[in-house]
Amino acid sequence: DVKVTQSSRYLVKRTGEKVFLECVQDMDHENMFWYRQDPGLGLRLIYFSYDVKMKEKGDIPEGYSVSREKKERFSLILESASTNQTSMYLCASSPVSDGVLDTQYFGPGTRLTVL
Amino acid sequence: KQEVTQIPAALSVPEGENLVLNCSFTDSAIYNLQWFRQDPGKGLTSLLLIQSSQREQTSGRLNASLDKSSGRSTLYIAASQPGDSATYLCAVRGYNKLIFGAGTRLAVHP
Repeated sequence: DVKVTQSSRYLVKRTGEKVFLECVQDMDHENMFWYRQDPGLGLRLIYFSYDVKMKEKGDIPEGYSVSREKKERFSLILESASTNQTSMYLCASSPVSDGVLDTQYFGPGTRLTVL
Repeated sequence: KQEVTQIPAALSVPEGENLVLNCSFTDSAIYNLQWFRQDPGKGLTSLLLIQSSQREQTSGRLNASLDKSSGRSTLYIAASQPGDSATYLCAVRGYNKLIFGAGTRLAVHP
């Protein structure tokens, strides 16, 4: 069974703090993703990574950075948290089949509040 | 730019009803379409994945159809149960990412 874990379920930070959200998958998947989910907007892709040390911007990368030093771990970094980054953050991973992404497996999410 | 729309945004039905959730997308050049379920405060669970060459997929009481030419997919839930209450999201897959709809929040009451 695929397991994707996220370091925190709930997090409260202050404006200007540096925030690290960690995601670990145990299925040796090549691809990992970070999304944020806001009411009425669905999930929006922040960054993704298709290999160690590789990263690609998604649709809303501003204000975020990522790190993938090991295959199983993908970190999302808020360099200076702002109130508009209050959201639910979801991590996902997926294997590659025939050169095309296969099903994505999601973690439980981290609800981040920035005061 | 691909856009995915789900209608209705919310739905409340009595137990036992058959229901249909709708998903539409603007660009028919997709690899596949996937339906997910999300329980409150939780991550997403994949329900059904339809490849672009397929017309439908079934799993238990769930049936998903895909009409690429019209940019539509439907998720049919037969004999709904209170345990089906959740948010249902559809997502279309381009080459390297998923584009999600905003979801339909379903409540099934006894």
